[in-house]
Amino acid sequence: AQSVAQPEDQVNVAEGNPLTVKCTYSVSGNPYLFWYVQYPNRGLQFLLKYITGDNLVKGSYGFEAEFNKSQTSFHLKKPSALVSDSALYFCACQRGFGNEKLTFGTGTRLTIIP
Amino acid sequence: GAGVSQSPSNKVTEKGKDVELRCDPISGHTALYWYRQSLGQGLEFLIYFQGNSAPDKSGLPSDRFSAERTGGSVSTLTIQRTQQEDSAVYLCASSLVGGGLTDTQYFGPGTRLTVL
Repeated sequence: AQSVAQPEDQVNVAEGNPLTVKCTYSVSGNPYLFWYVQYPNRGLQFLLKYITGDNLVKGSYGFEAEFNKSQTSFHLKKPSALVSDSALYFCACQRGFGNEKLTFGTGTRLTIIP
Repeated sequence: GAGVSQSPSNKVTEKGKDVELRCDPISGHTALYWYRQSLGQGLEFLIYFQGNSAPDKSGLPSDRFSAERTGGSVSTLTIQRTQQEDSAVYLCASSLVGGGLTDTQYFGPGTRLTVL
């Protein structure tokens, strides 16, 4: 079975500072990893994904994430936070090859303080 | 369409009633997924359709839940004899490919179901 952990329910960052939202995973084989963001009363918006190749992936709105196989982590990062980045962030993994479902972490609420 | 659409956006029903939730995937997407988002359970997978293949129903929580996909496009999730624990946001997603190939799942805005 696959699982995703987001160890922080809440992350507060001052505007302009770098931000990190943590994610670790457990999945057999090569994982496919995703980050989604959810704004109030909205569905999930895709940010970025790692399938293979370069460990650093870049996504929407200036976000990036680094795949670290030895630490089984896929942390989301941004060099300079904006107030508009405040939202709920979900990390997800997929095993692929006949197992298409996404398994989500519990989510991290990111608050950017002006 | 431009994105995944779902209807209704909100549904309030009484315990014991049946409800139907609708999902219109992105045009041309062959794979369709239903998930449920609730306070107690987080985001959980319900069911997955890929083309004409038999759906993966492994996430459906009970036999009160069923889903169908007509003509390879629109999908309906039906909950019979609703219970209060069914209250949640039901999210639909679609992707261009499936069946062993990974592609990004794009989500609709969800249907918020409240069972009184």
